Amino acid sequence: DAGVIQSPRHEVTEMGQEVTLRCKPISGHDYLFWYRQTMMRGLELLIYFNNNVPIDDSGMPEDRFSAKMPNASFSTLKIQPSEPRDSAVYFCASSLSGTGEFNSPLHFGNGTRLTVT
Amino acid sequence: GDSVTQMEGPVTLSEEAFLTINCTYTATGYPSLFWYVQYPGEGLQLLLKATKADDKGSNKGFEATYRKETTSFHLEKGSVQVSDSAVYFCALSDPAGGSYIPTFGRGTSLIVHP
Repeated sequence: DAGVIQSPRHEVTEMGQEVTLRCKPISGHDYLFWYRQTMMRGLELLIYFNNNVPIDDSGMPEDRFSAKMPNASFSTLKIQPSEPRDSAVYFCASSLSGTGEFNSPLHFGNGTRLTVT
Repeated sequence: GDSVTQMEGPVTLSEEAFLTINCTYTATGYPSLFWYVQYPGEGLQLLLKATKADDKGSNKGFEATYRKETTSFHLEKGSVQVSDSAVYFCALSDPAGGSYIPTFGRGTSLIVHP
């Protein structure tokens, strides 16, 4: 099991540029989450998908952020245009639905550290 | 709504000391409880979990017991090592209650000195 794979690991860009973060979830998982982590706000849920369908995007900061999941093995988070306050570590996580003892934990990727100058 | 409260960090200990990180929760249903650990430069990873009252989750010398009467899930380890230095997150999810999105605490940083 390769785990959740995110790319790139680090991204440095200038204000106003478009940024695209990529995620490959664990095969067979039906939930995919995008989180943002900063010192000030901690871990924030941005959006999550179930079976490739966006379920809740209320955590997306503003219209500059968008996320897609065109198939079960790939998702993107796009920021356009980027701003310095978007600098953070962005995590993708996936899980398998289930309840009780089958309640699956989240499996996180190693994150993308984004720096917007 | 559901919430998780963790003790503020950082927690600073000497090697071989006893560790407790407190976690309490509020939930409308009957959640499953988790502890995740985040090592520097990495994503969160599951440390242990418990799915019903009085269950004890354990892994790598860490333990936590699901206490429904006190709505708590405190993390303990009898003898910490320098390699345990990380950030620890308490979390819950309650899919049977209609809330599949995990709710995380703010995280507690643990620093272990040699």
